[in-house]
Amino acid sequence: GESVGLHLPTLSVQEGDNSIINCAYSNSASDYFIWYKQESGKGPQFIIDIRSNMDKRQGQRVTVLLNKTVKHLSLQIAATQPGDSAVYFCAENDGPSNTGKLIFGQGTTLQVKP
Amino acid sequence: NAGVMQNPRHLVRRRGQEARLRCSPMKGHSHVYWYRQLPEEGLKFMVYLQKENIIDESGMPKERFSAEFPKEGPSILRIQQVVRGDSAAYFCASSRAGKQETQYFGPGTRLLVL
Repeated sequence: GESVGLHLPTLSVQEGDNSIINCAYSNSASDYFIWYKQESGKGPQFIIDIRSNMDKRQGQRVTVLLNKTVKHLSLQIAATQPGDSAVYFCAENDGPSNTGKLIFGQGTTLQVKP
Repeated sequence: NAGVMQNPRHLVRRRGQEARLRCSPMKGHSHVYWYRQLPEEGLKFMVYLQKENIIDESGMPKERFSAEFPKEGPSILRIQQVVRGDSAAYFCASSRAGKQETQYFGPGTRLLVL
């Protein structure tokens, strides 16, 4: 069956270090992936997305890497700041037909130590 | 430049009552999606609507739950005869036509059933 899951439920990093959050997916038909950040009591905030015809995409302080061979997605945050503390979710589309349904992983909690 | 708006932010209902959750999409967005999030879990897709049309309701429970997105006004998620298991955060997202996968989320409605 299809599933999107994260390897580590909690990641603790020192302020200023780089963070890497990982995600595995099982639906080979998915061709679009998104990372969201969710702070306590708030809705998911769009961070960065990537299509399956790419293997890397960079934003401001964030990079998403996609390895289709092993169905693995990662989010790298450079120079992690206290404001980055949140739960991070990866999500994938439900196949290439633009159905609008996103499938979310369980989430990884990022804790940034000052 | 308002984002997705949801109200109420918090809703308390007793078992057997009805809950109505409202969502106004971002300006320029014509597609609305509802997701449910249980504590410590990722978001689960419920339903995808366009104006006056339900496109995909594969994630909606068969009974007691309904959704609409009328020609005028917000999208409504309605839960009849609520039970304790309905307690969750309900998030609405919106997207532009043709970009259904790039969804922006509202702050959510936290429903508590007593």
